[in-house]
Amino acid sequence: QSVLTQPPSVSGAPGQRVTISCTGSSSNIGAGYDVHWYQQLPGTAPKLLIYGNRNRPSGVPDRFSGSKSGTSASLAITGLQAEDEADYYCQSYDSSQREVFGGGTKLTVL
Amino acid sequence: QLQLQESGPGLVKPSEALSLTCTVSGGSISSTTYYWGWIRQPPGKGLEWIGSIYYSGSTYYNPSLKSRVTIFVDTSTNQFSLKLSSVSAADTAVYYCASQSSGWAGWFDSWGQGTLVTVSS
Repeated sequence: QSVLTQPPSVSGAPGQRVTISCTGSSSNIGAGYDVHWYQQLPGTAPKLLIYGNRNRPSGVPDRFSGSKSGTSASLAITGLQAEDEADYYCQSYDSSQREVFGGGTKLTVL
Repeated sequence: QLQLQESGPGLVKPSEALSLTCTVSGGSISSTTYYWGWIRQPPGKGLEWIGSIYYSGSTYYNPSLKSRVTIFVDTSTNQFSLKLSSVSAADTAVYYCASQSSGWAGWFDSWGQGTLVTVSS
């Protein structure tokens, strides 16, 4: 069972907007630690998508955005495209002195 | 642009030790910008952080694995390595090495392609 909770799956039609939640606790996200997001396409290594709650690395489309509030964070994807179909993971730090990942969310583009 | 590449045996026997090395290119492992981490992913499952190291040798490990994990760095070869002792089938996974920006609590920005390690007799 992951320290950070994500929905197992989300789906949306091309062009739509989807959000993926990442729920933690007062010992991680709620303690003020940043949240980072990764995209993992099938058979490939994870790729950094959002760092520091809302920052995009160079090359990541602005269709991807992140936010954080209280003990939760969210990843939003607008203008959904077929190529966005992937697994998405959130990551933060826990006061037990470890990096923690969410269980992952599979995004299906209908 | 950093590039990382994992190397090591793809098959390890139960109760033995798993050893992997990550070779960093395109930058110095002695950079003060990064920690260097190991993350694993069992087949069909999610990501699990194993531990991270700074070029000075300072480490922090996942408490659930701490008793079996050692990560060390070799600045002369621009490599860092993972040793996981007393492995079992539960340690079968794709193992990734990655650069970690901004220290502990930071993000993993460059990843190796991953290497599958199977624990089986």
